Amino acid sequence: DSGVTQTPKHLITATGQRVTLRCSPRSGDLSVYWYQQSLDQGLQFLIQYYNGEERAKGNILERFSAQQFPDLHSELNLSSLELGDSALYFCASSAGTSDGTDTQYFGPGTRLTVL
Amino acid sequence: AQKVTQAQTEISVVEKEDVTLDCVYETRDTTYYLFWYKQPPSGELVFLIRRNSFDEQNEISGRYSWNFQKSTSSFNFTITASQVVDSAVYFCALGMTTDSWGKLQFGAGTQVVVTP
Repeated sequence: DSGVTQTPKHLITATGQRVTLRCSPRSGDLSVYWYQQSLDQGLQFLIQYYNGEERAKGNILERFSAQQFPDLHSELNLSSLELGDSALYFCASSAGTSDGTDTQYFGPGTRLTVL
Repeated sequence: AQKVTQAQTEISVVEKEDVTLDCVYETRDTTYYLFWYKQPPSGELVFLIRRNSFDEQNEISGRYSWNFQKSTSSFNFTITASQVVDSAVYFCALGMTTDSWGKLQFGAGTQVVVTP
């Protein structure tokens, strides 16, 4: 158990809908990262937050957004869902060094299925 | 460009055989970090090892060992005396310090199948 929690574990929804994925980092970690794992794209970095502020952005669609709250938990919002958004979404957390080089520990993931 | 290549798609072994997973990376950074993660059938990503680019000493941790060769940009991972529980997808990842603060660049993964 990495100490990172993600809810829900599974999510099934329809095209055009909006969902929210939730992540709680390990105790004491300030950085939260979101990754998407799909069969065709593999593991892709989406976005990173550090102590409530956005720090780095990857291949995140405009339909997706995220935030990190004062209690350091994070939410990833996916809207106008398409079939291609079906994937396993991981949250990871790390202590949060000044240069972003600390080890990331991953949660169990949320499997999103868009029908 | 930052890139991680895991050329082996799948490796099948019989229990107790050694398994070596290859990883080749590309980066312009002079300081970077390399990782191996394991994804068992249950789906979670488990951190295994980390190596800093400025430390080329190879180590052994239990049944795991790794061979970091900066000259050939390779970071290979070996499981000694494999067990059925080692069956999983193994990912090599590159962590960079410039331009992509905190981002991990993952390889495509290598599926390891260990049969009794």
